[in-house]
Amino acid sequence: AQKVTQAQTEISVVEKEDVTLDCVYETRDTTYYLFWYKQPPSGELVFLIRRNSFDEQNEISGRYSWNFQKSTSSFNFTITASQVVDSAVYFCALTSYSSASKIIFGSGTRLSIRP
Amino acid sequence: DGGITQSPKYLFRKEGQNVTLSCEQNLNHDAMYWYRQDPGQGLRLIYYSQIVNDFQKGDIAEGYSVSREKKESFPLTVTSAQKNPTAFYLCASSPDRLQTGNTIYFGEGSWLTVV
Repeated sequence: AQKVTQAQTEISVVEKEDVTLDCVYETRDTTYYLFWYKQPPSGELVFLIRRNSFDEQNEISGRYSWNFQKSTSSFNFTITASQVVDSAVYFCALTSYSSASKIIFGSGTRLSIRP
Repeated sequence: DGGITQSPKYLFRKEGQNVTLSCEQNLNHDAMYWYRQDPGQGLRLIYYSQIVNDFQKGDIAEGYSVSREKKESFPLTVTSAQKNPTAFYLCASSPDRLQTGNTIYFGEGSWLTVV
């Protein structure tokens, strides 16, 4: 079965704090792809990152970083020095051969950054 | 600019009426998708199309219909048979099939309210 779990429904932090959004996935496929999307209040889902299952290198992009650990089936997302503009709902997602033409989304984490 | 354009952004419909949501992409993507998102919820797949003149039902296709007569266009009709159509609708596209690791990109969404 394909599944993505984002256990944190809502997180609220004060601006400039670091925050980590958790993502745990399940798949039997050895080749799979993981994604993070940001959904600001306007509604559009904005693509942030794609990682394939053979690349466990962590990635950093400005204040954003991602930690991929196959041993724990996790793909966590950290925002360093958070800003109010980071307030949004963040979705983790999975695709693989078994998911066919579907992308499996987690239920999302609503992040609120307080000034 | 390249992207996915959805229209209208906001739409009000009377019960018993059909309504069509437009989705156009100029990314030259083969695959297109329609998702529904209810407040505070994740995304659910309505229909998808991997090639012109072909489309498949997703998880919640009842009460919806689509067509794919042109590569760049994938309109969604919400019919009167859809019992609870008030929701946020997202159109998306990907270069090719998702199971081969393609990234899916989203439009800005359309808010449909039944009055």
